[in-house]
Amino acid sequence: SYVLTQPPSVSVAPRQTARITCGGYIIGSKSVHWYQQKPGQAPVLVVHDDYDRPSGIPERFSGSNSGNTATLTISRVEAGDEADYYCHVWDPTSDQPVFGGGTKLTVL
Amino acid sequence: EVQLVESGGVVVQPGGSLRLSCAASGFNFDECAMHWVRQAPGKGLEWVSFISLDGVRTNYADSVKGRFTISRDNSKKSLYLQISSLRAEDSALYYCTKDRGSRGSNYLDHWGQGTLVTVSS
Repeated sequence: SYVLTQPPSVSVAPRQTARITCGGYIIGSKSVHWYQQKPGQAPVLVVHDDYDRPSGIPERFSGSNSGNTATLTISRVEAGDEADYYCHVWDPTSDQPVFGGGTKLTVL
Repeated sequence: EVQLVESGGVVVQPGGSLRLSCAASGFNFDECAMHWVRQAPGKGLEWVSFISLDGVRTNYADSVKGRFTISRDNSKKSLYLQISSLRAEDSALYYCTKDRGSRGSNYLDHWGQGTLVTVSS
């Protein structure tokens, strides 16, 4: 089955740029979606189809996808961005969605 | 406004059964695939099952195949998950989620708040 690999944690100072990676075999050929989950809350879609943002998501959130790595980039990080972030793709081989293990973003 | 409200989560003994429900509103329910995604305490997201807009296509994670059954009633705008032969590892918060598309292969653009299933003797 298809596997997505995320770093368990990423730390960044306020107003700096955070980059959260999602690794997978030729993931660049797939559409990658990203979700933000704050403590005690349900996940929220922040980026879909590699780099598109749903309405209401700040422009500070962006995505890219190439080769074996997709990246969620959060610019000018704020304390309120502290959360767990999950990547997600569709695996046509198994006909199933696949989630990465999640990355905890800590704002120093 | 899209709303997904789950219910049915309880404390149940190992080997027991229960049915989770999700009431949907604020969108054309019969035009969207739907999923169940679960999250064990302190753990990451685990996809459980999806069902296509018309209920024809379904699929399940290997960890639940043969024990869980997903279904929907478009006339009631409701999604269900029948769970049987419960195990301790099934203890989790179960989210009802809306797929952006009709087949289950798109992104999940709305999530409910979840319903908690605890398997304990």
